[in-house]
Amino acid sequence: AQTVTQSQPEMSVQEAETVTLSCTYDTSESDYYLFWYKQPPSRQMILVIRQEAYKQQNATENRFSVNFQKAAKSFSLKISDSQLGDAAMYFCAYRSGPYTDKLIFGTGTRLQVFP
Amino acid sequence: DSGVTQTPKHLITATGQRVTLRCSPRSGDLSVYWYQQSLDQGLQFLIQYYNGEERAKGNILERFSAQQFPDLHSELNLSSLELGDSALYFCASSGQRGAFFGQGTRLTVV
Repeated sequence: AQTVTQSQPEMSVQEAETVTLSCTYDTSESDYYLFWYKQPPSRQMILVIRQEAYKQQNATENRFSVNFQKAAKSFSLKISDSQLGDAAMYFCAYRSGPYTDKLIFGTGTRLQVFP
Repeated sequence: DSGVTQTPKHLITATGQRVTLRCSPRSGDLSVYWYQQSLDQGLQFLIQYYNGEERAKGNILERFSAQQFPDLHSELNLSSLELGDSALYFCASSGQRGAFFGQGTRLTVV
């Protein structure tokens, strides 16, 4: 069975600085998708970024980028120019190839942003 | 706006009661997932429906059941409620770009 591990329960960063959140996963599949979700205090789940395993190029979305290391089964999220609004829980998630499969989530990393 | 609609947003009920949570997926999405998130916990997968059929089951209690209707909306039924069932219940629908979540239903059992 696939598993997702987030080893950093909490992280903090100063406004305008860069922070990296870690995620590792375990799978025997070759075709899968990885995601980062943000959950602010409102508790809404917001899709931040996605990465297809077959793509070598790391995904980027504005200030958010990933470092996808397929061989190492690592999928970290880098937030550049951190803003106060980035403070939230961040969840890493895995999904098998077919987009009808469920998401498997890590336990989350709480990010604090200090002014 | 994710395009996934969940109702109601808040629900307060007594132990032993039964409630129904409703979810309308994004237009065009055939898959609906239900997740449970207790306070300061991760998301626990409950059940998935695809085009009206149950596709996968997670840690769903026997007191809980779900279905997906021909118009693709889904309902999660929770019965014989206990205090420990208090949680945020999310519905998500899935397309190729990922799973998009509704705003959740916050259930409080008193």
